[in-house]
Amino acid sequence: AQKITQTQPGMFVQEKEAVTLDCTYDTSDPSYGLFWYKQPSSGEMIFLIYQGSYDQQNATEGRYSLNFQKARKSANLVISASQLGDSAMYFCAMRESGWNQGGKLIFGQGTELSVKP
Amino acid sequence: NAGVTQTPKFRVLKTGQSMTLLCAQDMNHEYMYWYRQDPGMGLRLIHYSVGEGTTAKGEVPDGYNVSRLKKQNFLLGLESAAPSQTSVYFCASSYPGVRNQPQHFGDGTRLSIL
Repeated sequence: AQKITQTQPGMFVQEKEAVTLDCTYDTSDPSYGLFWYKQPSSGEMIFLIYQGSYDQQNATEGRYSLNFQKARKSANLVISASQLGDSAMYFCAMRESGWNQGGKLIFGQGTELSVKP
Repeated sequence: NAGVTQTPKFRVLKTGQSMTLLCAQDMNHEYMYWYRQDPGMGLRLIHYSVGEGTTAKGEVPDGYNVSRLKKQNFLLGLESAAPSQTSVYFCASSYPGVRNQPQHFGDGTRLSIL
């Protein structure tokens, strides 16, 4: 069965430092996509970054990058130069690409990141 | 840019009451989804729809019904609310077939069942 695991319920990081949020996944489908979302205390879900299973390079979007290790089935989010506004809950999610999957996402439990000034 | 709009934002119900949550999107997306979010469990899929007039069950469908009579709207119904359905409900929508397109989420509905 497909599964996403985020093993860090909470993390702290000092402002301006980098932080890595862990995500491991399990799937038998060779074609899939991995997403990271941010959920601030206000509650909305904000899309951050995407990595496709066949992408040759790790995805990057501004201060966000994805450390994708396909053989280990991990897709860790790296946030560089942390800012106070990065304090939020972060979710890793996986989408399988089958025609009958309906684009469904499977979410991990989330990691709550707190940035210290 | 409205995106995905959920109505209402907050609601308190008594056990046994019924209600409908409305989701509307203005992005012409084919796919729509309803999730619930509970502490420590991430988001779990309740029902989804791949097009007007079609719906399918997700991971936790029991106690909920949905309808997609119009492409832009996806309704989630609770026929007889139970305290276990106290949660935050999110609606989302997406394009089919574009692999790097994310799901776009509404701001959520906080529902309490007493």
